[in-house]
Amino acid sequence: EVQLVETGGGLIQPGGSLRLSCAASGFTISSNYMNWVRQAPGKGLDWVSVIYRGGNTYYADSVKGRFTISRDNSKNTLYLQMNSLRAEDTAVYYCARGGYTGYDPSYYFDYWGQGTLVTVSS
Amino acid sequence: QTVVTQEPSFSVSPGGTVTLTCALSSGSVSASYFPSWYQQTPGQAPRTLIYRTNTRSFGVPDRFSGSILGNKAALTITGAQADDESDYYCVLYVGSGNHWVFGGGTKLTVL
Repeated sequence: EVQLVETGGGLIQPGGSLRLSCAASGFTISSNYMNWVRQAPGKGLDWVSVIYRGGNTYYADSVKGRFTISRDNSKNTLYLQMNSLRAEDTAVYYCARGGYTGYDPSYYFDYWGQGTLVTVSS
Repeated sequence: QTVVTQEPSFSVSPGGTVTLTCALSSGSVSASYFPSWYQQTPGQAPRTLIYRTNTRSFGVPDRFSGSILGNKAALTITGAQADDESDYYCVLYVGSGNHWVFGGGTKLTVL
């Protein structure tokens, strides 16, 4: 059974740093493209970042230069290092696996974690 | 900047049919944007409904269907039930730059 469990959220002051983790089970993260998606309180979903099988990474403009996505294949865990945090980064952060049709990426999110809340406030 | 637009809210009667749409600020939505749809109830993670325009995710009932209608992606719910009352999000894969862009979501009321 595929499971994604995010941890690492909490209250952090503006300008601070936080690292989120997403522990995966039931599949191998290095064989998939993995994403972070966030949702500010009362707002919609917002794509944040992706890491592809080959290791290429991409970011939303809103977080580029501040956030870094990475993975530890030995731990089957995805990370999001968040630096220079701002109030507008306050959100629930979801880890989401990218979906395939056969061997072809279908550019959607097929499994989601339960999310972890990050609150940026002084 | 690419913007994806959904109806902010919609209402449907129990047993009725409703079509939610997903539009692109610059041009038409086509299958090459890999439209997908997600259902979310308050406090819960999103649930995947439709991917690749019209493929239902595992376990999704066939009263949910996806399509391209005119220049928009569409999600149609046929025979709406009370527990379909949720927020629905579409997302388009735009490739370079921001990669995926979500619509603002549609709050569906069943009454």
